Amino acid sequence: NAGVTQTPKFRILKIGQSMTLQCAQDMNHNYMYWYRQDPGMGLKLIYYSVGAGITDKGEVPNGYNVSRSTTEYFPLRLELAAPSQTSVYFCASSFSGTGSGGYTFGSGTRLTVV
Amino acid sequence: DAKTTQPNSMESNEEEPVHLPCNHSTISGTDYIHWYRQLPSQGPEYVIHGLTSNVNNRMASLAIAEDRKSSTLILHRATLRDAAVYYCIRLSGSARQLTFGSGTQLTVLP
Repeated sequence: NAGVTQTPKFRILKIGQSMTLQCAQDMNHNYMYWYRQDPGMGLKLIYYSVGAGITDKGEVPNGYNVSRSTTEYFPLRLELAAPSQTSVYFCASSFSGTGSGGYTFGSGTRLTVV
Repeated sequence: DAKTTQPNSMESNEEEPVHLPCNHSTISGTDYIHWYRQLPSQGPEYVIHGLTSNVNNRMASLAIAEDRKSSTLILHRATLRDAAVYYCIRLSGSARQLTFGSGTQLTVLP
């Protein structure tokens, strides 16, 4: 059971470039989330999805887009990368949105924008 | 406000119990309390969660106050591998998204 898999693990982007951070889960979880974590800080929610075809903004959505065409995948798209998007990005999933079960996190993507 | 209040840092000696406190004074009756920990350069790891009753699992115990305005994560026997940032989270929002505060940095002394 792989859990939540994120790719790539590391990436350096130039200002203005675009990229997609991949997230896949094999637990048939309905709820998926994208967080970013700046150095020395807690995680902040970017986007989340309660099921295939349904996404919504979190606390810090500007500069990002998401899609959820299947239950398994929840990619995060960065358009026109900026230095402020240098961060570690974590994808997470949970079976239900009630909080009655634990949330599973991926190992993260460390992104540097130069 | 879905935030919780935790001490910034705590220290413990190896093989001794650790009690990590958390205040969540504005919690509502249906909000679960979750604890996660994050080791250096890793993603958060689920530790335990509860609603009203105390909970035990292989990693830790969770003691929830009767009024639910506070909780305590108990590591029964700290090891060096337990050194991490511990986040107490009160689940809220339409999708019960985790709202992270700054957590407690636990240092375990040999």
